[in-house]
Amino acid sequence: DQQVKQNSPSLSVQEGRISILNCDYTNSMFDYFLWYKKYPAEGPTFLISISSIKDKNEDGRFTVFLNKSAKHLSLHIVPSQPGDSAVYFCAASEKREKLTFGTGTRLTIIP
Amino acid sequence: KAGVTQTPRYLIKTRGQQVTLSCSPISGHRSVSWYQQTPGQGLQFLFEYFSETQRNKGNFPGRFSGRQFSNSRSEMNVSTLELGDSALYLCASSYIPHTGELFFGEGSRLTVL
Repeated sequence: DQQVKQNSPSLSVQEGRISILNCDYTNSMFDYFLWYKKYPAEGPTFLISISSIKDKNEDGRFTVFLNKSAKHLSLHIVPSQPGDSAVYFCAASEKREKLTFGTGTRLTIIP
Repeated sequence: KAGVTQTPRYLIKTRGQQVTLSCSPISGHRSVSWYQQTPGQGLQFLFEYFSETQRNKGNFPGRFSGRQFSNSRSEMNVSTLELGDSALYLCASSYIPHTGELFFGEGSRLTVL
């Protein structure tokens, strides 16, 4: 039972444009959401998070949007840079306990 | 400050053997979690330890076990290895539980033949 789903395994975006990565969840008890970025041969690194009491959180070029009624969150990267090419995982938790991860989306930024 | 260190980085075992993986968390971090990453399955939670006590456990068979030592270092063990156990095993640490944000190591790549 995949409680966190990333339906796009891959995404290609031109450098300088906006990258939008999507994530859906089914467990209505999830109240804290995170995005992690993973380069090959490295562990995932934390990117940005959002609590369910907010619908948007911004950090530089990265913005996460949360739509609780649709159980959907998205990560926007503007502008996209070649160094953003990586696998992006969304994750969710209830009361910041164990994280449930999606299967990841491989983002490729085309120069 | 040194990051999360996992050893060994790569290992090959045969079916039926057992394996022990080690994780040293970031200095001062007392919570350690383990995840299994396989293609198409993402990262799946194995267990979490804090102050030498298992706080949470994922949906894995009893062949998967772990422990944490007084210095916060952690080990996980997989007994009677199966082909499906081939995966990247990731360890993550945080200062305390309930932070949500985890710091991951580079992982131990296990191949079972």
